[in-house]
Amino acid sequence: EVQLVESGGGLVKPGGSLRLSCAASGFTFSSYSMNWVRQAPGKGLEWVSSISSSSNYIYYADSVKGRFTISRDNAKNSLYLQMNSLRAEDTAVYYCARNGRAGDFDYWGQGTLVTVSS
Amino acid sequence: EIVLTQSPDFQSVTPKEKVTITCRASQSIGSSLHWYQQKPDQSPKLLIKYASQSISGVPSRFSGSGSGTDFTLTINSLEAEDAATYYCHQSSSLPQTFGQGTKVEIK
Repeated sequence: EVQLVESGGGLVKPGGSLRLSCAASGFTFSSYSMNWVRQAPGKGLEWVSSISSSSNYIYYADSVKGRFTISRDNAKNSLYLQMNSLRAEDTAVYYCARNGRAGDFDYWGQGTLVTVSS
Repeated sequence: EIVLTQSPDFQSVTPKEKVTITCRASQSIGSSLHWYQQKPDQSPKLLIKYASQSISGVPSRFSGSGSGTDFTLTINSLEAEDAATYYCHQSSSLPQTFGQGTKVEIK
């Protein structure tokens, strides 16, 4: 069974940093591109970042470019999101999601809440 | 950036009724359009990929159609458990984008 479990969320002050993790199991992690998608409270879904299976290709939404860094450790079956210079508008539930072969997001984690507030 | 516009934003429907949700892209995206269901306090769940391809384990009352700029998600014979917000998503070009969501309420 495919499982994605996020961790690392919490309350952080504006300008602070946080590192999110996503532990994957139940599939060959090193064969799939992975993504971070966020959802602000009461709002819709927003794609944040993607990373290819071997980390050769990395992409970011303009809203986080230069502040967030996506990475992965295939030996540890883990995906990461380093978030720096956090702003109030980064407050959201952050989901990790696996890339399906069609470009879809075929499996999602349960999400981890990041709250940026003084 | 490709903008996806869903309609309606909200729909109140009686059980067994048919539901149609549309998603319009600001430019052609071929068939790179996917649909998700999100129930309250849950993660999104993939319903349809590549505009019309069914997903294992998803009830057959969910179907998708369309290509280019106009897409439709249809729920035949709505059930109470289908109360949720539905999102379309395009993977044709970066940045990947989602529609604003359509909330389906059961009367």
